[in-house]
Amino acid sequence: KAGVTQTPRYLIKTRGQQVTLSCSPISGHRSVSWYQQTPGQGLQFLFEYFSETQRNKGNFPGRFSGRQFSNSRSEMNVSTLELGDSALYLCASSRTGTSGRGPTDTQYFGPGTRLTVL
Amino acid sequence: SQELEQSPQSLIVQEGKNLTINCTSSKTLYGLYWYKQKYGEGLIFLMMLQKGGEEKSHEKITAKLDEKKQQSSLHITASQPSHAGIYLCGAPPRGLSGYALNFGKGTSLLVTP
Repeated sequence: KAGVTQTPRYLIKTRGQQVTLSCSPISGHRSVSWYQQTPGQGLQFLFEYFSETQRNKGNFPGRFSGRQFSNSRSEMNVSTLELGDSALYLCASSRTGTSGRGPTDTQYFGPGTRLTVL
Repeated sequence: SQELEQSPQSLIVQEGKNLTINCTSSKTLYGLYWYKQKYGEGLIFLMMLQKGGEEKSHEKITAKLDEKKQQSSLHITASQPSHAGIYLCGAPPRGLSGYALNFGKGTSLLVTP
């Protein structure tokens, strides 16, 4: 069974540009979450999509957006890039989701996209 | 919001030694995930703990969840160079449907020959 895949793996952009990252979840998984990882802030939750709907959202500015397609593939977009957006962006997928009383499914992570903003 | 504090921040152990990493939550834990990450790469799933008192083992790694202490521990027996990496604990906030995990800052493990 193929794992979570992310494209591209590496990306270099300049300030003010926009970028789109792609994530293909494990077959059969309907939940896709995005995280940003930086040395200073660690791993932070961006948003989660389930059945094409945003189910949860982290505390990030509106420049960060995402969507999910009917085949569960997901994209995230960052507009008007800033130097501080340089990070490893990780995508994770799971079959369903938690019940609110704790995890019920394993969440699997992709290899990440390393974004560098110059 | 929930904060997860991991200790120690870094660890250097000699091959063959045992070690323990702790993850303490500022709020009640409703389950916890442990992951391992090689620098700059994705997270590798290790274990998921779903209820207080639960203990799981895989190969030489054992994880426990102490709900009362709002803490989880990860124990590695007879460490090997392959165990080196960054260990991260992640927990879902209470009452949330879906995945929006809070993560600790990680524990960096180096295993020396």
